[in-house]
Amino acid sequence: AQKITQTQPGMFVQEKEAVTLDCTYDTSDQSYGLFWYKQPSSGEMIFLIYQGSYDEQNATEGRYSLNFQKARKSANLVISASQLGDSAMYFCAMSQNLDMRFGAGTRLTVKP
Amino acid sequence: EAGVAQSPRYKIIEKRQSVAFWCNPISGHATLYWYQQILGQGPKLLIQFQNNGVVDDSQLPKDRFSAERLKGVDSTLKIQPAKLEDSAVYLCASSPGLAGTIETQYFGPGTRLLVL
Repeated sequence: AQKITQTQPGMFVQEKEAVTLDCTYDTSDQSYGLFWYKQPSSGEMIFLIYQGSYDEQNATEGRYSLNFQKARKSANLVISASQLGDSAMYFCAMSQNLDMRFGAGTRLTVKP
Repeated sequence: EAGVAQSPRYKIIEKRQSVAFWCNPISGHATLYWYQQILGQGPKLLIQFQNNGVVDDSQLPKDRFSAERLKGVDSTLKIQPAKLEDSAVYLCASSPGLAGTIETQYFGPGTRLLVL
């Protein structure tokens, strides 16, 4: 069964610095997709970035990049130049076949 | 383009009462999902529709939860009777393609349910 692990319950980062949020996954399938979502206190899940299992290049979207290491089954999110508005819960998710499974999340706090 | 709409945003009920949540997905999206998110956890899929058909409801507690998407557009999730452990945020999401394709799901703001 697929499993998503986020080992950092909480992270702190200074404003304008970069931060890496860890995510590892477990699957025996070759075809899958990896996603990161942001959930502010308002509750809505906001899509940030996607990486396909066959993509050779790491995905980037503005200040977000995904450090995809397929052999290690990791898909870490890197946020560059952190902003106060980046303070939120961040969820890693994996989709394959009919299913999307989420990790437990990491709470990121950006300090001024 | 309008996002996924959900109502109500908040609901407080007593145990053994019934409650219903409504979701209107992004226009044209074929697949609709309902998730339950308990405090401190990631969302867990309850049910998935493709148009008006159920694709996966393996994690839906069918003795008390039901859901429908009759015309293949908006959807209703019902709990009857509610238990204390049903207190959670109920998230609706939609995606444009057919079920089983790997694509981004777009989420609504959620309904926060508190069962007393």
